[in-house]
Amino acid sequence: ETGVTQTPRHLVMGMTNKKSLKCEQHLGHNAMYWYKQSAKKPLELMFVYSLEERVENNSVPSRFSPECPNSSHLFLHLHTLQPEDSALYLCASSQDLTPRQEPQHFGDGTRLSIL
Amino acid sequence: GQQLNQSPQSMFIQEGEDVSMNCTSSSIFNTWLWYKQDPGEGPVLLIALYKAGELTSNGRLTAQFGITRKDSFLNISASIPSDVGIYFCAGAPSGNTPLVFGKGTRLSVIA
Repeated sequence: ETGVTQTPRHLVMGMTNKKSLKCEQHLGHNAMYWYKQSAKKPLELMFVYSLEERVENNSVPSRFSPECPNSSHLFLHLHTLQPEDSALYLCASSQDLTPRQEPQHFGDGTRLSIL
Repeated sequence: GQQLNQSPQSMFIQEGEDVSMNCTSSSIFNTWLWYKQDPGEGPVLLIALYKAGELTSNGRLTAQFGITRKDSFLNISASIPSDVGIYFCAGAPSGNTPLVFGKGTRLSVIA
């Protein structure tokens, strides 16, 4: 039990599909994150939420739409994705935005493949 | 944006050997973290460093926060096959700024 659970673990979708990735954390944390992990590249931060408010959006294309209905759940809605969006999408949580107090804990990711 | 240079990119070592990897930055970081990622899983925190010069151990792993606050290293002693994976450094520049990650060091251990 990692404390951060992501579903589904694998997802294959066509470019015209709409799907959602789900993340749930059981750690009582206030901050949640979406990262994209591609081969041979550093982890790319996509979105940050603190107390259910978006505090960071790193120029992510609008075909990715996050949603944070409460401090325990985070979604990433996907629409009209491109082949280059194929990657491992990682969710993380931390007590707050300051790494000093509690570093980020990661889920096991969703492996996304776009056909 | 800020970047971390992590090296080496990959390593092949014999079981029982010691391993050393490092991360450097052109700017100061207030926090250094080291994570390990096994295949098919998310990164798991190994060691967190919060103070310049700090040396912290976790079993066979030892990490140090560089005095200049621009680098950190991770050592693994007496490597075993389960040490295989990708090791990431991450740093927090200051305050509430998001973590910056290195590209990772892929470690392979030959039994």
